[in-house]
Amino acid sequence: GAVVSQHPSRVICKSGTSVKIECRSLDFQATTMFWYRQFPKQSLMLMATSNEGSKATYEQGVEKDKFLINHASLTLSTLTVTSAHPEDSSFYICSAREGRTLTDTQYFGPGTRLTVL
Amino acid sequence: KNQVEQSPQSLIILEGKNCTLQCNYTVSPFSNLRWYKQDTGRGPVSLTIMTFSENTKSNGRYTATLDADTKQSSLHITASQLSDSASYICVVSPIGTYKYIFGTGTRLKVLA
Repeated sequence: GAVVSQHPSRVICKSGTSVKIECRSLDFQATTMFWYRQFPKQSLMLMATSNEGSKATYEQGVEKDKFLINHASLTLSTLTVTSAHPEDSSFYICSAREGRTLTDTQYFGPGTRLTVL
Repeated sequence: KNQVEQSPQSLIILEGKNCTLQCNYTVSPFSNLRWYKQDTGRGPVSLTIMTFSENTKSNGRYTATLDADTKQSSLHITASQLSDSASYICVVSPIGTYKYIFGTGTRLKVLA
């Protein structure tokens, strides 16, 4: 089946620093990648959608200058949390889909646990 | 407003027992309904996918049902195993969009 990887799996950083998270589709080309955030015991919340070679579309309430998304190739998207603060501590999950039809399945990565001290 | 609600919020069962998780949704019309399993600290993994016209779909010990008239779906787990301990998420995709509407999840704990 389709495999999506994320790196790193865990990161601890000091307040004010920036953190980059990578999302890769390992055995397929992802036309679209999605970034989600999940707080403890809550459901996944979509942050943004990115298509290869174009700007990301952010959900309402998500600061695009704080959460920088780059989708440079069909197999790689990155999320950079700039000037991270303790309230940004969360579980970040990416997903990727291969096709262009609306019903194509999203395959999820294993997630990245971010802790900001 | 499109919503997906699941019950129970949490469930504890003994190994070997069966259980059924519920999903009620208001998303309409929708193209498909998915059930995912999410282990703690991991990303969701797809269990079943049903289009709006399907009534049931099985994947090993997992069987999902869909009643589009009552806007309800269920996930039945047969002969539970310790490894079934996880959160189970119902996800509905509205027609005309690629976005997923996530349910609130059911946290299942299987005890030996």
